[in-house]
Amino acid sequence: RKEVEQDPGPFNVPEGATVAFNCTYSNSASQSFFWYRQDCRKEPKLLMSVYSSGNEDGRFTAQLNRASQYISLLIRDSKLSDSATYLCVVNSLNTGNQFYFGTGTSLTVIP
Amino acid sequence: EAQVTQNPRYLITVTGKKLTVTCSQNMNHEYMSWYRQDPGLGLRQIYYSMNVEVTDKGDVPEGYKVSRKEKRNFPLILESPSPNQTSLYFCASSSRDRDSYNSPLHFGNGTRLTVT
Repeated sequence: RKEVEQDPGPFNVPEGATVAFNCTYSNSASQSFFWYRQDCRKEPKLLMSVYSSGNEDGRFTAQLNRASQYISLLIRDSKLSDSATYLCVVNSLNTGNQFYFGTGTSLTVIP
Repeated sequence: EAQVTQNPRYLITVTGKKLTVTCSQNMNHEYMSWYRQDPGLGLRQIYYSMNVEVTDKGDVPEGYKVSRKEKRNFPLILESPSPNQTSLYFCASSSRDRDSYNSPLHFGNGTRLTVT
């Protein structure tokens, strides 16, 4: 079983739509959770960390559900510039500060 | 500016010709790691380092070497490159201070390697 699993998509949504991505993780002792954005052939860039109480940054909302071991990312009012691949990343100190990546979810926002 | 710097950005080489991809970070991070990214396979870890003189194999270490003689540098060495090592490579670093358990990975801007 993979450490982190993500629906690869692709998600094709119209501008202005709300879209949600989910990601599940297998290590119940995982401590840190992140969403990264990756544009084609570029490096992944931190979009937001995910905190236990959930957190919001403008149009982006991240949630963590420890009981069910999943994290989610909600994008409201999608923009064309949101088109990218979104990576779920989980960090587990009990496995030596290792980071585990989902394979990424592809999003295309259509005019 | 806090950053991870990789060089070169692009490299075309021939089979068997030794090469080194450099990685340097200026954030005093303990943890550094190398990944390769191939279409449909996502990011796969090659090697990582928890601190100076401490390195460990990741998921795909075959054909690669690393060293961590200084905290800021973590070069990736391909002693005898082969065409199956053609890929996009990323270096990344993170703080692993107990008080910084939420510290995310910071990525370099990538090295696109082609081995012919």
